[in-house]
Amino acid sequence: QVHLQQWGAGLLKPAETLSLTCAVSGGSFSGYFWTWIRQPPGKGLEWIGEINHTGATKSNPSLQGRVTISVDTSKNQFSLNLRSLSAADTAVFYCARGWPTLRAFDIWGQGTVVTVSS
Amino acid sequence: DIQMTQSPSSLSASVGDRVTITCQASQDIRTHLNWYQQKPGKAPKLLIYDASYLQTGVPSRFNGSGFGADFTLTLSSLQPEDIATYYCQQYDDFLPSFTFGPGTKVNVK
Repeated sequence: QVHLQQWGAGLLKPAETLSLTCAVSGGSFSGYFWTWIRQPPGKGLEWIGEINHTGATKSNPSLQGRVTISVDTSKNQFSLNLRSLSAADTAVFYCARGWPTLRAFDIWGQGTVVTVSS
Repeated sequence: DIQMTQSPSSLSASVGDRVTITCQASQDIRTHLNWYQQKPGKAPKLLIYDASYLQTGVPSRFNGSGFGADFTLTLSSLQPEDIATYYCQQYDDFLPSFTFGPGTKVNVK
């Protein structure tokens, strides 16, 4: 059974960089898009970006180039860096497994609450 | 960018009622539409993919339909454990881009 476990710092200051990592266990790491999605308090879901096992990445243009997603296939892990944080980046961040076709997200991490405050 | 709308934004229904949630895309997305259920404090759960296919393990009282720009999620008989917020999600696998609807919160009367 595939499981995603995520971790990272939860309280950050404006202008700092968010770093989160998600570890994949119990299944294949190749053949999927490993994805980051966030949810501001009381709001809906926003796709941040994705990466596959070869390191090919795509990210949401609305984040204006602040996103870096990387992969470590030796550990079956992928990571998110989000630079130049502001209060508007306060959200629960989720990692998720994305299908290569039909593009659904079927396995999710537990979520990390990230608060940006001075 | 493709925009998604959902209606209603919230609803209250009784156990056993039939519940219908609609999702509309700003342009034709064929069947590139998935549905999720999110309970408070939990990650979303995939219910329906490709507009009408039930994800493994999801109860058969959930049904998805639609094509093009208009989609529907139906719960044939609301159960107490269905209290949650439901989101639709479209995808454009050419870019790629993914957009979620604003959500529909389902409560029990």
